[in-house]
Amino acid sequence: GENVEQHPSTLSVQEGDSAVIKCTYSDSASNYFPWYKQELGKRPQLIIDIRSNVGEKKDQRIAVTLNKTAKHFSLHITETQPEDSAVYFCAARDMVEYGNKLVFGAGTILRVKS
Amino acid sequence: DTEVTQTPKHLVMGMTNKKSLKCEQHMGHRAMYWYKQKAKKPPELMFVYSYEKLSINESVPSRFSPECPNSSLLNLHLHALQPEDSALYLCASSQPRDRGHEQYFGPGTRLTVT
Repeated sequence: GENVEQHPSTLSVQEGDSAVIKCTYSDSASNYFPWYKQELGKRPQLIIDIRSNVGEKKDQRIAVTLNKTAKHFSLHITETQPEDSAVYFCAARDMVEYGNKLVFGAGTILRVKS
Repeated sequence: DTEVTQTPKHLVMGMTNKKSLKCEQHMGHRAMYWYKQKAKKPPELMFVYSYEKLSINESVPSRFSPECPNSSLLNLHLHALQPEDSALYLCASSQPRDRGHEQYFGPGTRLTVT
């Protein structure tokens, strides 16, 4: 099955700076890669996703890039704001199991200092 | 409407109790999921229902019993739980594997087993 590794585990940035979180996956057949943001005490919220037929997707201050050859994908947040502080999880779709199974990375705690 | 609802928000139960968690979605999704999440960890998949049939059971102990009465509802029946089962239980929904990928999470039920 799929395995996803996520780095770094914690990331502190100054307000206005950029933040980058990286994930690698093991199954070259995986074709869907979502990113979730989870604030303290709240549900994971889907913030952006990318499919394997594109290399980059952008939505305002957030973007995701995918390198299928290297089997890694990254989340980029520009002009960070204090409200971006949260735990971010990457995930990859497991192609082995029937059903829409996602395999999650371990998470990155992002702290934006004002 | 991209909302998944869960009841109750909080639940405290003894090890001999029987209780149920409920999840509802009205997005027309035909796949529903139960996840367990411990503090500072990613969501851990427990069960997947696709078209109201159980398609994935991640070797979950039998003290957890899922039920999908119809395409909008998902229950998780709990019996004889252990203190280590205390966690946030998240429900999610999506289109099935052959029709889409985005999974949307409910707010969760915070379960404490005493």
